[in-house]
Amino acid sequence: DADVTQTPRNRITKTGKRIMLECSQTKGHDRMYWYRQDPGLGLQLIYYSFDVKDINKGEISDGYSVSRQAQAKFSLSLESAIPNQTALYFCATSDEQGGLNTGELFFGEGSRLTVL
Amino acid sequence: RKEVEQDPGPFNVPEGATVAFNCTYSNSASQSFFWYRQDCRKEPKLLMSVYSSGNEDGRFTAQLNRASQYISLLIRDSKLSDSATYLCVVANDYKLSFGAGTTVTVRA
Repeated sequence: DADVTQTPRNRITKTGKRIMLECSQTKGHDRMYWYRQDPGLGLQLIYYSFDVKDINKGEISDGYSVSRQAQAKFSLSLESAIPNQTALYFCATSDEQGGLNTGELFFGEGSRLTVL
Repeated sequence: RKEVEQDPGPFNVPEGATVAFNCTYSNSASQSFFWYRQDCRKEPKLLMSVYSSGNEDGRFTAQLNRASQYISLLIRDSKLSDSATYLCVVANDYKLSFGAGTTVTVRA
């Protein structure tokens, strides 16, 4: 089983619908992240959390919200989905030495979201 | 201006060839540098860190030029399995900034 699991892996929805993407990890890491990937733009940070009580906005948080339900779970919500939120979404984790120090993030397999 | 810029490629090379590509970054205060590898429709994975003095990991060599604000990756003796997109990553303050990637295709 993967250390970082994302559900759903693929989702097609309509404009205005509420969508939740879920992420769970078995690595025991405190730090969790949500990124989106668009062709030609690279990965962009949406939100990050350094522990259960810590939630921070990333570069592109507008239109998104998150919930850190437990150390192992970090979910991303689109309250009212719009077509330009069509993208590949990745959840990632790191330990305290990861991220800036070792550069090592552990990614889930991605959730492909299409908003019609 | 993007924080991290890469030539998207693709770089099409025969097996056994050497391929090299660069990445430029805009923030001169950037602290750490890395290369990630992403296979088609898969998640990114850390390939290697980039040290100021340059470093090798098998057939892969990474270089950093702080004065000109670029990092490079060189792959020697290319294998079919090296076909992937290579993401340049720069660490600043609280986050990692990812380039859009350089695609390398190794042909038989």
